[in-house]
Amino acid sequence: NAGVTQTPKFQVLKTGQSMTLQCAQDMNHEYMSWYRQDPGMGLRLIHYSVGAGITDQGEVPNGYNVSRSTTEDFPLRLLSAAPSQTSVYFCASSYSKSSYNEQFFGPGTRLTVL
Amino acid sequence: DAKTTQPTSMDCAEGRAANLPCNHSTISGNEYVYWYRQIHSQGPQYIIHGLKNNETNEMASLIITEDRKSSTLILPHATLRDTAVYYCIVRVSFSGNTGKLIFGQGTTLQVKP
Repeated sequence: NAGVTQTPKFQVLKTGQSMTLQCAQDMNHEYMSWYRQDPGMGLRLIHYSVGAGITDQGEVPNGYNVSRSTTEDFPLRLLSAAPSQTSVYFCASSYSKSSYNEQFFGPGTRLTVL
Repeated sequence: DAKTTQPTSMDCAEGRAANLPCNHSTISGNEYVYWYRQIHSQGPQYIIHGLKNNETNEMASLIITEDRKSSTLILPHATLRDTAVYYCIVRVSFSGNTGKLIFGQGTTLQVKP
């Protein structure tokens, strides 16, 4: 199994540009989520999904959209990039959102918005 | 979810056991204790979790006190590759939550040769 994969690894955008961060998992996990990590802020939940066709907001959803058309993929879209969205983005997946199941994280995408 | 308290940093000699403590005095009966670590610039990595019994896997052991107010992660033979930030997390088990993991500041473990 490849686990959780994320592309790209690095990205530089200009303010106002849009882009999609890709996340895929091959473990048939129902639950997938996106976090951003900023210095001194820890990891903050952006959006999550409990299965194909079902998504919901986390604690910092503004400026981001998600969709879940398949079990494997959970892309994160930046609609109009802003410098405040400069961060490291991690995708995670688990069998379910229950505490019984550990979550697996991808390697991250490092995004800089100029 | 209950809050956790961990020391900011710890050192450990290579080959020795690393014992990382965590206090979670407000933990409730349906909350699990999880440990993750984050090696520099990488995604968080799951280590181990438990409810009330001690747990062991190929990476580490988790010792939870009988009153569940604290726990200790044990890396039996630390190597230089175990240098990382270690996060202790408690999570409620009922389905109404978002599945969010709340990462605090963690403990920076420095394994020294």
